[in-house]
Amino acid sequence: DAKTTQPTSMDCAEGRAANLPCNHSTISGNEYVYWYRQIHSQGPQYIIHGLKNNETNEMASLIITEDRKSSTLILPHATLRDTAVYYCIVRDYGQNFVFGPGTRLSVLP
Amino acid sequence: DAGITQSPRHKVTETGTPVTLRCHQTENHRYMYWYRQDPGHGLRLIHYSYGVKDTDKGEVSDGYSVSRSKTEDFLLTLESATSSQTSVYFCAISESGRISSGNTIYFGEGSWLTVV
Repeated sequence: DAKTTQPTSMDCAEGRAANLPCNHSTISGNEYVYWYRQIHSQGPQYIIHGLKNNETNEMASLIITEDRKSSTLILPHATLRDTAVYYCIVRDYGQNFVFGPGTRLSVLP
Repeated sequence: DAGITQSPRHKVTETGTPVTLRCHQTENHRYMYWYRQDPGHGLRLIHYSYGVKDTDKGEVSDGYSVSRSKTEDFLLTLESATSSQTSVYFCAISESGRISSGNTIYFGEGSWLTVV
C-alpha cells in the first residue's frame, strides 16, 4: 500500500512556481521521500529525494517538514513541459518502490 | 538518461501465445524490476531481481515469469498471454547502496503489449 497522500490534480500558471504537497504521516526514521514524474506515455522520471533536510537540484526543490510528516515539491518556474503526473513515494532501503495515483499537474499558458 | 533499453517497444499478440519482453541495461546496476501500468491501477510491481539468477515476486506476479542470466538483461515472459495482460510494461533499474545514499530507481521507456 502507498504510504503517501497527494491531491488528485492541480493547476499552475506557466512561469509561476508549482508547489505539490504530499502527506506521509506514518513515515519512519529511515524512510526517504522520493519524487518522480511521468509525462504522458513515457517512463517515470526521477526528480529528487531527501531524508530530513531540504534538497535542491536543477529540476526542483524538496521541502520536508521538521516532523517529516509532509513534504512539498517545488518547481520554481513551471513550463508547459512540466505537465505530468507527479508521484511522492516514501521508501526505506531494501524496500520496493510503491507508486500511488500521484498528482496530475496541468501547467496552463 | 539511464542506459535502459526495452524491446520490443510495441507488440500485438494473440491470446494463448507466449511473449517475452527484454530489458537491457548498460549501468551495471544490481537491481532490475518489471512494472505494469494500467488505467486506474497505476504502476504495479510484477517481479524484480537482486542479482544474476536471483529473482522475487511483486504484487501482480501471477501469469508472469522472469529470468536473469546476465547482469545486463532481465526478461519478462508471459507463458500464455491473456487479454488481461494487455498493458504498458516498464523495466526499471537501481543500484545497491548504503542507506545514506537513498538509492534511486530509473525507468525505461516502456513496452506496449496488446493481447487480442
